[in-house]
Amino acid sequence: ETGVTQTPRHLVMGMTNKKSLKCEQHLGHNAMYWYKQSAKKPLELMFVYSLEERVENNSVPSRFSPECPNSSHLFLHLHTLQPEDSALYLCASSRAPGRGDYEQYFGPGTRLTVT
Amino acid sequence: QKEVEQNSGPLSVPEGAIASLNCTYSDRGSQSFFWYRQYSGKSPELIMSIYSNGDKEDGRFTAQLNKASQYVSLLIRDSQPSDSATYLCAVNPGGGNQFYFGTGTSLTVIP
Repeated sequence: ETGVTQTPRHLVMGMTNKKSLKCEQHLGHNAMYWYKQSAKKPLELMFVYSLEERVENNSVPSRFSPECPNSSHLFLHLHTLQPEDSALYLCASSRAPGRGDYEQYFGPGTRLTVT
Repeated sequence: QKEVEQNSGPLSVPEGAIASLNCTYSDRGSQSFFWYRQYSGKSPELIMSIYSNGDKEDGRFTAQLNKASQYVSLLIRDSQPSDSATYLCAVNPGGGNQFYFGTGTSLTVIP
């Protein structure tokens, strides 16, 4: 599936590092999402950008900072993470609500390990 | 109360059988429903979406929606070993940007 790409695919970082995750969608969508997937837990919606405006921010710690420069690109900036932040981070895209069916399509994810 | 509930399984069926996966949701006003398949170590892959009561068929997959009873199910006919995966149910309650996922049901198809 190349409709939504994510880089890097794997990331190991120390608690004092700063890194960024990148997502790009090639589906012509105008809403993009960041999810966190931890073992035995449902996908947790972190951030949503619709028409390049942030519309959801579900009580995510400030050590996670999203950026959406345009409708095709989404970043998640990471700093001073904790070991419990180790998880699979998934990017998804869809049409914006009210603009037709809005199935979400996921990227391959970034497996993040915080040491 | 969880927004979306699924039996975690594991659910085991023999090859060629019908696998039945169920999902219930708490928000009666929910509009849109989705089934995803997730192989181990991979990201979720959309299988089907359903928006209206009744059945929707796509190949070997049939999604069934009953809004009055607040459940949605996925039937997989002629199950294949390649169908072995975790199946995630997702619900969009109000037509906005919020999607709720279940924890998933692990399916194993035994050759």
